[in-house]
Amino acid sequence: KQEVTQIPAALSVPEGENLVLNCSFTDSAIYNLQWFRQDPGKGLTSLLLIQSSQREQTSGRLNASLDKSSGRSTLYIAASQPGDSATYLCAAYNQGGKLIFGQGTELSVKP
Amino acid sequence: GAVVSQHPSRVICKSGTSVKIECRSLDFQATTMFWYRQFPKQSLMLMATSNEGSKATYEQGVEKDKFLINHASLTLSTLTVTSAHPEDSSFYICSAPRVAKNIQYFGAGTRLSVL
Repeated sequence: KQEVTQIPAALSVPEGENLVLNCSFTDSAIYNLQWFRQDPGKGLTSLLLIQSSQREQTSGRLNASLDKSSGRSTLYIAASQPGDSATYLCAAYNQGGKLIFGQGTELSVKP
Repeated sequence: GAVVSQHPSRVICKSGTSVKIECRSLDFQATTMFWYRQFPKQSLMLMATSNEGSKATYEQGVEKDKFLINHASLTLSTLTVTSAHPEDSSFYICSAPRVAKNIQYFGAGTRLSVL
């Protein structure tokens, strides 16, 4: 059974810092891995999708990596801004399209 | 713009009533849709897989008679919370996979509060 774990559960950084959010999964036979952002009381915003054949994806200040052999993915945020404050969720796709979510990392970027 | 529409965004109801939530794929067909539930400060938990033209598949521990799912067409799935009670209060989110793009799109979610 696939389990997805995110560390840390919460993170507070000053504005401008570069930071890394970690995600690990137990079953390396994932289809894809996706990172989401969730603002309080809101739905999900897709940030980056890494297909199983890829090792990383970049969008603006965000870079996500995937290492299937070690069961890890990281989300790198460069030059963090207060507007980046949100909960970040990673989710692993299994066959059949089911998404298994991690518990999320609650990020706070202080001005 | 949104490719998956979820309605309503917020429901407040009395205990014992039934609540229907709709999930629509706007510009693509979805033979499968997924329903998730999220309690405060927790992650999303898959409740069930909605299948067009056949019965939904429920995850372990989810009562199928409590959470009725109907996938009436290739663009619409509905989740009905029957005889809702305060412990059913939660954030419900649907998603639809767009097979051609190999990605799931999420609705904006429905916050259910049962008094």
